[in-house]
Amino acid sequence: GIQVEQSPPDLILQEGANSTLRCNFSDSVNNLQWFHQNPWGQLINLFYIPSGTKQNGRLSATTVATERYSLLYISSSQTTDSGVYFCAVGGGNNRLAFGKGNQVVVIP
Amino acid sequence: DAMVIQNPRYQVTQFGKPVTLSCSQTLNHNVMYWYQQKSSQAPKLLFHYYDKDFNNEADTPDNFQSRRPNTSFCFLDIRSPGLGDAAMYLCATSRGPMNEQFFGPGTRLTVL
Repeated sequence: GIQVEQSPPDLILQEGANSTLRCNFSDSVNNLQWFHQNPWGQLINLFYIPSGTKQNGRLSATTVATERYSLLYISSSQTTDSGVYFCAVGGGNNRLAFGKGNQVVVIP
Repeated sequence: DAMVIQNPRYQVTQFGKPVTLSCSQTLNHNVMYWYQQKSSQAPKLLFHYYDKDFNNEADTPDNFQSRRPNTSFCFLDIRSPGLGDAAMYLCATSRGPMNEQFFGPGTRLTVL
């Protein structure tokens, strides 16, 4: 199956700082999603982005499918941005493969 | 708002006592998924339904079963829960197999 690697595994940010999370994948994909898992465990959809660039408020994402990576940008981070960010990709087997996540802590 | 609903949010059961977790959706999506997520790990797919077509993952234990009586509902049955089955169980839906997946809030299962 497709291998998904996320980096960095852990990130501590000062409130107001910007950050970039990276997701590398091992094969061509037809689905790529970024999620934020909140403290109660729910996976919140951030972006559905198998290719291209999207922005939603302080968050934006870019996927370069030909080079097999995606980036999630967090600008002007807030304490509510804390949590685990998952990248999940789908290939030919109709299943999402999840990375291990980026644990982000934003300190005031 | 269209959504994915899971009940209960927290479930406590005893070792070996069968338990059923419920998921419903108002999105009218064709595909429903069940994932297991243990602490500090990524979600792991247990099985999914594409309409009435059931797809089991090869490494899903026989202890886990699922039912989808209609488009809106899907159930996860754990026949004899063990201590190792304590986890968050996440239900998700998508319009088609490779479309965007939407997750419910999860059911956190404790096994005593």
